[in-house]
Amino acid sequence: QVQLQESGPGLVKPSETLSLTCTVSDGSVSNYYWSWIRQPPGKGLEWIGYVYYTGRTNYNPSLKSRVTISADTSKKQFSLKLTSVTAADTAVYYCAVISDGYYFGDYWGQGTLVTVSS
Amino acid sequence: EIVMTQSPATLSVSPGERATLSCRATQSVSSNLVWYQQKPGQAPRLLIYGASTRATGIPARFSGSGSGTEFTLTISSLQSEDFAVYYCQQYNNWPNTFGQGTKLEIK
Repeated sequence: QVQLQESGPGLVKPSETLSLTCTVSDGSVSNYYWSWIRQPPGKGLEWIGYVYYTGRTNYNPSLKSRVTISADTSKKQFSLKLTSVTAADTAVYYCAVISDGYYFGDYWGQGTLVTVSS
Repeated sequence: EIVMTQSPATLSVSPGERATLSCRATQSVSSNLVWYQQKPGQAPRLLIYGASTRATGIPARFSGSGSGTEFTLTISSLQSEDFAVYYCQQYNNWPNTFGQGTKLEIK
């Protein structure tokens, strides 16, 4: 059973960079989209972007200028960097691995709350 | 960006009854639509993909239908564990986009 775990600071100051890492364990997810999705408190879900196992990335245009997603497949880890954060970036950040077309389902981490505040 | 609109925002239904949730896209997404269930403090759980195929382990009381711009999630006989927030999400065009959610509550 694939398991994912997010790690990183829970508090980030405005204008600084949010950095999170997702570690994937127990299973093969090579041909999956390694993704980041966020959810502001009490609100809906928003795609941030993904890195495919080939290294191809795709970012939400609304965040593209501030986002970098990268992967270290040998460590089964992928990371998110979001620069110049503001209070609007306060959210629960989920990492997820998603199969092509969802045919083999998806797996999510439990989510980690990141608060942007001075 | 494709905007997904779910209705109603809140649906009150008694256990054992049927619930019907709707999702509409601003342009065709073909059948590239998933439904998720989310309970408080938990990550979303995949219910339906390809608009109508149940994900592994999902009970038969959950069914999805539709294509193009109009989609429906039906829960045939509500169990206590089904009361949650439900999201539709299209994956036909990047960025993938979610609806704002329908909260299914006990009547």
